[in-house]
Amino acid sequence: DIQMTQSPSSLSASVGDRVTITCRASQSISSYLNWYQQKAGKAPKLLIYAASSLQSGVPSRFSGSGPGTDFTLTISSLQPEDFATYYCQQSYSTPWTFGQGTKVEIK
Amino acid sequence: EVQLVESGGGLVKPGGSLRLSCTASGFTFSGYSMNWVRQAPGKGLEWVSFISSSNSYIYYADSVKGRFTISRDNAKNSLYLQMNSLRAEDTAVYYCAREFSSGSSKRFDPWGQGTLVTVSS
Repeated sequence: DIQMTQSPSSLSASVGDRVTITCRASQSISSYLNWYQQKAGKAPKLLIYAASSLQSGVPSRFSGSGPGTDFTLTISSLQPEDFATYYCQQSYSTPWTFGQGTKVEIK
Repeated sequence: EVQLVESGGGLVKPGGSLRLSCTASGFTFSGYSMNWVRQAPGKGLEWVSFISSSNSYIYYADSVKGRFTISRDNAKNSLYLQMNSLRAEDTAVYYCAREFSSGSSKRFDPWGQGTLVTVSS
């Protein structure tokens, strides 16, 4: 199975900050990497697919990079509605696996 | 509007069974593969099972293999998860998610609102 490791597990940031979350795969997964946002008590929502493609309707302050084994999700200017938990997920091979999540909290 | 609505969750004793349903609307259900993903209280996301659009391919996580069965009824726009021999560690919110593919990219979009399964005596 492909292991996905996110860092950090949590972070505190202020509105307007630039935030970067890292996701590392245990083997190369090309660009088969997705990012999801989950707010408390809600279902996850797709943000980025294929490592760097922005899902329709998602603000352009979100961006992703890859490919290979190391991926990043960047929020260029953190907004109040961005405080949530973010998960990466590989779609290279089953079983599909997720990172453990990164909780973005208000400083 | 593309929508997925889960139902069937509840409280069940260890060793018991439960059947979850997911009803789709707003898209051609028969054209998409579907997945179940779960989230234990306060924990991360765990993929559970996959079924292809025409039932040709079915996969399970090792943690549920032999106990859970995924199925679908394309005529009813519905996805199911039959859960047998339930354990305390199966306690979670269970989400159904459409697998959207373009090119070689696969991703889960959208997700249902989830249904809570609690396994406890």
